[in-house]
Amino acid sequence: EIVLTQSPGTLSLSPGERATLSCRASQSVSSSYLAWYQQKPGQAPRLLIYDASSRATGIPDRFSGSGSGTDFTLTISRLEPEDFAVYYCQQYGSSQTFGQGTKVEIK
Amino acid sequence: EVQLVQSGAEVKKPGESLRISCKGSGYSFTSYWISWVRQMPGKGLEWMGRIDPSDSYTKYSPSFQGHVTISADKSISTAYLQWSSLKASDIAMYYCAREGYCSGGSCYLVSQHWGQGTLVTVSS
Repeated sequence: EIVLTQSPGTLSLSPGERATLSCRASQSVSSSYLAWYQQKPGQAPRLLIYDASSRATGIPDRFSGSGSGTDFTLTISRLEPEDFAVYYCQQYGSSQTFGQGTKVEIK
Repeated sequence: EVQLVQSGAEVKKPGESLRISCKGSGYSFTSYWISWVRQMPGKGLEWMGRIDPSDSYTKYSPSFQGHVTISADKSISTAYLQWSSLKASDIAMYYCAREGYCSGGSCYLVSQHWGQGTLVTVSS
């Protein structure tokens, strides 16, 4: 089973700042089958990015994904108030697993 | 509009059995796999397993194999997650999700559509 490790656990930033979230896999993720989700309290997760760098429909372009192999990054170029949430990476190349999440909180 | 509607919150005693449901609408139910995801209180997402509603083929995460059963009734577009004997450690929110986000003529095994979640509480 592929284990995904996200860092940092918590990111304290101010609106307008840039957020960089990391996701590292225990083994190579085939074909960059790596997705990112956003979850707010009391809500189901929301798909942001798939195939490491493709934005899902309706996702603002301030969200971008990059990486391949075992190292992936989600970047939020300028944080909006509604972006403060928990973010999860997910690999779907070998069954499925999620990372443990990164909380982006208001500083 | 694609919708996944889950059954309501449950309160059960340890040792009791339980089946929760997830009804799909607005799309061809047999064309997309359904996954179940656990979220324990204050914790992250855990993929439990999936089912292909067209033939009921299932795949489980090693962590959940043997502890839960995933099934589906394609005649009523509904997937199920069931336990034969609940434990206190089963307390969680459970989400179903449709695997299969399609864009530009291709489909990807990620989940754009999720149910609203079913909260399972186990208490004596």
